[in-house]
Amino acid sequence: DQQVKQNSPSLSVQEGRISILNCDYTNSMFDYFLWYKKYPAEGPTFLISISSIKDKNEDGRFTVFLNKSAKHLSLHIVPSQPGDSAVYFCAASALQGAQKLVFGQGTRLTINP
Amino acid sequence: EAEVAQSPRYKITEKSQAVAFWCDPISGHATLYWYRQILGQGPELLVQFQDESVVDDSQLPKDRFSAERLKGVDSTLKIQPAELGDSAMYLCASSWQELNTEAFFGQGTRLTVV
Repeated sequence: DQQVKQNSPSLSVQEGRISILNCDYTNSMFDYFLWYKKYPAEGPTFLISISSIKDKNEDGRFTVFLNKSAKHLSLHIVPSQPGDSAVYFCAASALQGAQKLVFGQGTRLTINP
Repeated sequence: EAEVAQSPRYKITEKSQAVAFWCDPISGHATLYWYRQILGQGPELLVQFQDESVVDDSQLPKDRFSAERLKGVDSTLKIQPAELGDSAMYLCASSWQELNTEAFFGQGTRLTVV
């Protein structure tokens, strides 16, 4: 039972353009959503988060959008840079679930020069 | 800068042997997580501690895996006996007790069972 789904295993974007990574969830109790970035042989690093009371959160080049009715969130990176090449994980947690973080399968983003 | 410390970074063990991983969370973080990540998949929660108490171990294979956080600070995850299918990255993370805060991950332990 995959509660958090990232349906695109990989994404390739040209440097300077916008990267859009998508994530869907099934559990309506989720109320906090996070994006993590992971380089090979390292642990995930936190990127940006959004609470369910908001529909947008922006931090520099990174913006996360939340559509609660569609149970969908997306991460926008603009402009994309070569250093953004990594695996991106979407994660979600629920207040009722003791803040247990549930992760998606990840999307490998490659930024081409 | 505070970080989650894990050791060892890499471990190769033969099947049926015992193996243990250690994690030291960021100072002051009450919540500690152990995740397992198989290549090509997202991290899967094995066990979650709040201070020294287990709050979720529903996905922990209890016949062979055990975890403890005796003093509510550092933690040990043990596998005995190891099986070939246990080969994965084992990630430790910690967070503040407050709601809706991000978890900080260590660099992980890459386990290979041969």
